Amino acid sequence: EVQLLETGGDLVQPGGSLRLSCTASGFTFSTYTMTWVRQAPGKGLEWVSTIRGGGIGTYSADSVKGRFTISRDNSKNTLYLQMNRLRAEDTAVYYCAREMAVAGAFDYWGQGNLVTVSS
Amino acid sequence: SYELTQPPSVAVSPGQTASFTCSGDNLGDKYACWYQQKPGQSPVLVIYQDTKRPSGIPERFSGSNSGNTATLTISGTQAMDEADYYCQAWDSSTVIFGGGTKLTVL
Repeated sequence: EVQLLETGGDLVQPGGSLRLSCTASGFTFSTYTMTWVRQAPGKGLEWVSTIRGGGIGTYSADSVKGRFTISRDNSKNTLYLQMNRLRAEDTAVYYCAREMAVAGAFDYWGQGNLVTVSS
Repeated sequence: SYELTQPPSVAVSPGQTASFTCSGDNLGDKYACWYQQKPGQSPVLVIYQDTKRPSGIPERFSGSNSGNTATLTISGTQAMDEADYYCQAWDSSTVIFGGGTKLTVL
């Protein structure tokens, strides 16, 4: 059974840093492209960042470029999102998601992890 | 930047057909997919590659994509289908989500 478990969400002050983790199981993690998607309270889905299976090839939304870094450790079946210089508008539930091979769609999602940026 | 536009809400009675549109420039040249999200839950993929249903998704869910519009259709809508629905596509190594449509089953 495919499972994605996000951890690391917390309350952090503006300007602070946080690292989210997403531990995967039930599939060959290294062969899949993985993505972070966030959802601000009461709002829609917003793509954050994507990383290819081998870790070569990352893409990020303009809203987080230069502040957030996506990475992965295939030996630990874990996806990361390092978030620096956090802003109030980064407050959201962050989901990790697996991209289907060749389809460009996300077939499995984690349960979500809340990040709150507030003083 | 590329945008996908969805109407904010759709309302149908049980048993009727619910249609959701997603509009974007030449969207028909890209693959569109659709997600269902119920309150407090993670999104669930219901249609990918315009028309395909993942395993476990009921046959009443169908999709199409042509020109500037992708459409998700729910035939014989049930109360359990009440949720937010989001379309999604890729554009130049960027993932684009529509703003979402809230389905109310009256």
